[in-house]
Amino acid sequence: EDQVTQSPEALRLQEGESSSLNCSYTVSGLRGLFWYRQDPGKGPEFLFTLYSAGEEKEKERLKATLTKKESFLHITAPKPEDSATYLCAVHYNQAGTALIFGKGTTLSVSS
Amino acid sequence: NAGVTQTPKFQVLKTGQSMTLQCAQDMNHEYMSWYRQDPGMGLRLIHYSVGAGITDQGEVPNGYNVSRSTTEDFPLRLLSAAPSQTSVYFCASNTGGGTQYFGPGTRLLVL
Repeated sequence: EDQVTQSPEALRLQEGESSSLNCSYTVSGLRGLFWYRQDPGKGPEFLFTLYSAGEEKEKERLKATLTKKESFLHITAPKPEDSATYLCAVHYNQAGTALIFGKGTTLSVSS
Repeated sequence: NAGVTQTPKFQVLKTGQSMTLQCAQDMNHEYMSWYRQDPGMGLRLIHYSVGAGITDQGEVPNGYNVSRSTTEDFPLRLLSAAPSQTSVYFCASNTGGGTQYFGPGTRLLVL
C-alpha cells in the first residue's frame, strides 16, 4: 500500500488556468511534508516544507496547504515555465532521516 | 557553494561490471542519502548515512554498498551490475530537519 499518493498523474492546463495538485498520505507521526519541482533530466528542487495541519506556504504562483491527511499545491494563473513534475514527500517518525516520495504529478502548461 | 555534486552524469555498464557513483556536498550536512528513480516508481531510498562512519539500508539496498569516511563524500558502489539497476540515481543531503537538497543525478544504463 502506497504511503504517499499523488493525483492526478498528469495535468494539462492552459496558461492562466488555475488548478490544484493533491498529495494524500497515510503515515502516522508526520514530521514534515515536502514539495519538490523536478525538470526533465535534473534533480528535484525544493519548494516548500509544511509541518502542521492548517499551515500554508506561498511562492510566486504556488501555494501549498496541509491538512491531517493531505496536502494541496495550488497553482494560480500558471505560465508555460511552470511545466514540470511536482513531487510530494513525507518525513515521519519511522523513516529515520529519509523521505518517502509519491510518484509525482506531471504538469504541462500551454500558451 | 556548489551544493551537492554527482559524477559521472552518464554511464554505460555491462552486466557483471562494478562501478562507484560519486557524491559530494559542501554544505557540512550530517545526513546524506542515495535514491533511485524509475518510471512509474517514484524516488526510492537505497542507503543513507547520519554521519561519518554511520550508514543504514533504505527500501531497495540489494546490490549496492555505501561507506561514509568523511562528512563531504558518500559514494555508492555497484558490486556486480544487473540490467535491473538501470535507473537514474540521485544523491541528497540535509541537516536532519527533513529538507533534502538533491544533486543533478547520474543516469546508469546496464546492458
